[in-house]
Amino acid sequence: DIVMTQTPLSLSVTPGQPASISCKSSQSLLHSDGKTYLYWYLQKPGQPPQLLIYEVSNRFSGVPDRFSGSGSGTDFTLKISRVEAEDVGVYYCMQSIQLLMYTFGQGTKLEIK
Amino acid sequence: EVQLVQSGAEVKKPGESLKISCKGSGYSFTSYWIGWVRQMPGKGLEWMGIIYPGDSDTRYSPSFQGQVTISADKSISTAYLQWSSLKASDTAMYYCASSIAGAPFDYWGQGTLVTVSS
Repeated sequence: DIVMTQTPLSLSVTPGQPASISCKSSQSLLHSDGKTYLYWYLQKPGQPPQLLIYEVSNRFSGVPDRFSGSGSGTDFTLKISRVEAEDVGVYYCMQSIQLLMYTFGQGTKLEIK
Repeated sequence: EVQLVQSGAEVKKPGESLKISCKGSGYSFTSYWIGWVRQMPGKGLEWMGIIYPGDSDTRYSPSFQGQVTISADKSISTAYLQWSSLKASDTAMYYCASSIAGAPFDYWGQGTLVTVSS
């Protein structure tokens, strides 16, 4: 089974400051088709999760450009260039290198200072 | 507008059966996979399984295989998650999510809270 490990598990950020979350997978997420199957989701308080980033670095429709994803192989990062109050919640990475099998990271809780 | 609308909250006793639903609208229901995700109280997201409503091809996470049944009725654009004998540990929020825009779980239902208590 592929294990996804996020760090930190929580972070507190002043509005306007950057934030960064790491996600490491137990095996490479680079598929033979050339794509890397790593995604980022945000679950705001009391809401279902929402897709932020797909295939490492592509912002989903409507996602502000202050969110960016990067990485390759087994190491990935989600960055928020300038945190806003509406960004609070829990961020999850997820992999799907194996067709129709998915694993989430344990989540990183972002709060505002 | 794409929507996934889930059935309402349930309170059940251990040993009882339950079937919750997720109705899709605003898109071709039979053409996209729908998955189920569990979130236990105060915990993270766990993928349970996924179904292709067009032909009912279903895959389960090893952690949930044999514990739940996923099905779909394409005539009414609805997917289901079913238990034959609930346990207290099944208490959780359950989300359905579809992969309509090209990425896994790009649209989500609002969630169904299942509480199992004697």
